[in-house]
Amino acid sequence: KNEVEQSPQNLTAQEGEFITINCSYSVGISALHWLQQHPGGGIVSLFMLSSGKKKHGRLIATINIQEKHSSLHITASHPRDSAVYICAVINSGGSNYKLTFGKGTLLTVNP
Amino acid sequence: DGGITQSPKYLFRKEGQNVTLSCEQNLNHDAMYWYRQDPGQGLRLIYYSQIVNDFQKGDIAEGYSVSREKKESFPLTVTSAQKNPTAFYLCASSINPHYEQYFGPGTRLTVT
Repeated sequence: KNEVEQSPQNLTAQEGEFITINCSYSVGISALHWLQQHPGGGIVSLFMLSSGKKKHGRLIATINIQEKHSSLHITASHPRDSAVYICAVINSGGSNYKLTFGKGTLLTVNP
Repeated sequence: DGGITQSPKYLFRKEGQNVTLSCEQNLNHDAMYWYRQDPGQGLRLIYYSQIVNDFQKGDIAEGYSVSREKKESFPLTVTSAQKNPTAFYLCASSINPHYEQYFGPGTRLTVT
């Protein structure tokens, strides 16, 4: 079983819809990242959070440490939001603080 | 402009040849990382370095080597010992391991 599980694996939406991508993890963490990867391959960091909620534009990320769960929401989705969204956690055990990644959620937003 | 550069974007090699992938950053970050991405799998850590002249193996270091002689540079060599080298390779850096990582554009390596 992967330490980081994302759902759904694939998501297709119509422009304007509210999108939710989920991430569950099985280890103790010090922080969680949400990343965006466009078809060209480059990755952009969207959020890093260790508690509560963060908002940037139409994107909202929440985390519940007790439930080991995080969600990424996109409001008023747009075709340019089409990308792979990746959840990654920093394991709080050990001293190397490396990231463990989920397999990603492929989001397609149709006009 | 600050950022991370990787070159080349596409690289083709014959089996049995070593190949070195470049990663340079001008963000003054101490920590640098190499990841490998394969279809249907999450990114996997190959090597990371928290400071100049120091680096540690990640989860899939076999068949790879790195050096960190300068703060700005963290080249990755894919050796002939790597059994399945064809993949997308991403370099990243961060101020330190506790902070968010900034990713380069990646190098797609094809070995035939």
